[in-house]
Amino acid sequence: KQEVTQIPAALSVPEGENLVLNCSFTDSAIYNLQWFRQDPGKGLTSLLLIQSSQREQTSGRLNASLDKSSGRSTLYIAASQPGDSATYLCAASGTYKYIFGTGTRLKVLA
Amino acid sequence: GAVVSQHPSWVICKSGTSVKIECRSLDFQATTMFWYRQFPKQSLMLMATSNEGSKATYEQGVEKDKFLINHASLTLSTLTVTSAHPEDSSFYICSANRGPNYNEQFFGPGTRLTVL
Repeated sequence: KQEVTQIPAALSVPEGENLVLNCSFTDSAIYNLQWFRQDPGKGLTSLLLIQSSQREQTSGRLNASLDKSSGRSTLYIAASQPGDSATYLCAASGTYKYIFGTGTRLKVLA
Repeated sequence: GAVVSQHPSWVICKSGTSVKIECRSLDFQATTMFWYRQFPKQSLMLMATSNEGSKATYEQGVEKDKFLINHASLTLSTLTVTSAHPEDSSFYICSANRGPNYNEQFFGPGTRLTVL
């Protein structure tokens, strides 16, 4: 049974810092790994999707990497801004099923 | 492209009533739709998977008689919470994929259910 864990559970950083969010999964047989952002009381915003054959994806200040053999993905946020404050979720995709991680609540202080 | 909508965005109901939530894929046909539930400060938990024209597959621990799912067309799935109780209050999110060869899911904006 796939289990997805995110570390840290919460993070507070000053504006401008580069930061790394971690996602671990127990079953390496995944189709893709996707990172989402969720603002309080809102739905999910897809940030990056990494196919199982890929090692990383980049979008603007965001870079996500995937290491299937070790069961890990990281989301790197460069030059963090207060607008980046949100909960970040990773999801591992098996056979049509997404298993979500526990989330990292990020607060970027101005 | 790949937009998924949900209606209503929020609903408040009395205990014992039934509530229907709609999930629509607006610009693609969705062979498979998924329903998730999210309690405050927790992650999303998959409740069930529905395929157009067939019965939904429920995750372990989810009461199929309480959470009725109908996937009547390739663009619409409904979740009915029957005889709702305060413990059913939650954020319900649906998602859809384009077909059996596509694993990426596209998520709706969610429905906030509050049962009084």
